[in-house]
Amino acid sequence: EIVLTQSPGTLSLSPGERATLSCRASQSVSSSYLAWYQQRPGQAPRLLIYGASSRATGIPDRFSGSGSGTDFTLTISRLEPEDFAVYYCQQCGSSPWTFGQGTKVEIK
Amino acid sequence: QLQLQESGPGLVKPSETLSLTCTVSGGSISSSSYYWGWIRQPPGKGLEWIGSIYYSGSTYYNPSLKSRVTISVDTSKNQFSLKLSSVTAADTAVYYCARLELLGWFDPWGQGTLVTVSS
Repeated sequence: EIVLTQSPGTLSLSPGERATLSCRASQSVSSSYLAWYQQRPGQAPRLLIYGASSRATGIPDRFSGSGSGTDFTLTISRLEPEDFAVYYCQQCGSSPWTFGQGTKVEIK
Repeated sequence: QLQLQESGPGLVKPSETLSLTCTVSGGSISSSSYYWGWIRQPPGKGLEWIGSIYYSGSTYYNPSLKSRVTISVDTSKNQFSLKLSSVTAADTAVYYCARLELLGWFDPWGQGTLVTVSS
């Protein structure tokens, strides 16, 4: 099973700042099989990024994904109030599909 | 616009079987382009993939739950279902259903339903 480790656990930032979230895999993951989700309180997760760097439909371009192999990054260029949430990475290259433990982006 | 909705009992007794149904609207569950999946999230914790099913009925499960999980599909009702047997308090979670792209990411998700295991 591929273990995904996200860091930091919590990111305290102000609106307008840049957020950089990390996802590290215990084994190499093909870029095609890495996704990112956003989960706001009380809501279901929402797909942000698939294939490591492709934005899902309707996702603003302030969200971007990058990386390969075992190291992947989600960047939010300028935080909007609605971006304060928990973010999860997911690998779907090797069964069982697994998720990281999440990074909480909170208002500083 | 595709929508998914989970339904089923919110309270299940220990050792019994949890049963949930996901109803798909705004699209066909029989599409050859997608699988359909179940994911759960214990209160305050992260996400765990449970298993997935194709409209033909082929399934694959998380090995950690495989001995207790059955996922089935009813194409006539545009629904798929989850059964988890011999539940314990550790199975208390919000259960989500979602469409699964063939390459493995989930989009969209249902709103989720909280299932509590308690006597």
